[in-house]
Amino acid sequence: QVQVVESGGGVVQPGRSLRLSCVASGFTFTCCTLHWVRQAPGKGLEWVAAVRVDGSKQYFADSVQGRFAISRDNSKNMMYLQMNSLRAEDTALYYCAREPRDSFYFDYWGQGALVTVSS
Amino acid sequence: QSALTQPASVSGSPGQSITISCTGTNSDVGNYNRVSWYQQHPGKAPKVMVYEDTKRPSGVSNRFSGSKSGNTASLTISGLQAEDEADYYCCSFAGSRNWVFGGGTKLTVL
Repeated sequence: QVQVVESGGGVVQPGRSLRLSCVASGFTFTCCTLHWVRQAPGKGLEWVAAVRVDGSKQYFADSVQGRFAISRDNSKNMMYLQMNSLRAEDTALYYCAREPRDSFYFDYWGQGALVTVSS
Repeated sequence: QSALTQPASVSGSPGQSITISCTGTNSDVGNYNRVSWYQQHPGKAPKVMVYEDTKRPSGVSNRFSGSKSGNTASLTISGLQAEDEADYYCCSFAGSRNWVFGGGTKLTVL
């Protein structure tokens, strides 16, 4: 069955960096654009970033543009989110989500990786 | 990109129908047939209930239906059941490969 599993969360000081990973299984990895969506504690969902099938195109929310980078390694069925210059407001549960064949919605989600930015 | 506007909470009794609205702009909801709705139970990942404004994924109950008029999309749940109690989020494609979510609506089944 389709699965996406996030890892790499943790506690980090403001201004530091952290890299999240997402491993996928149960489907042809190169079928789909992959996304990161985050949810601050007790708050709503916020779209963060996306990477197209071949990794050539990346897209970011204004709130993370210039600080975050997204990439994928199709040989390993992996996607990454490199988060730099972290701020307290980046504290959230980060979900990896699949967009089925340019359909503009998210059909499979992981359980999330918690990132806490605190001194 | 501003968040879509949803009511903070709605409630209904078992067997009743409720509707959750989601208001955007002509740059997102009103410009694309790409509104999706997600159900999220506490401590769980979101689950898609409706996509492309009105379509229902395989396995989702036909008690859930989506509609749209202008810049406002709606999710209707008919025959309300206890297990429908959850948070619901709308989401719209907003062009230039960006997406915007609503603030979420807490559904209480009385």
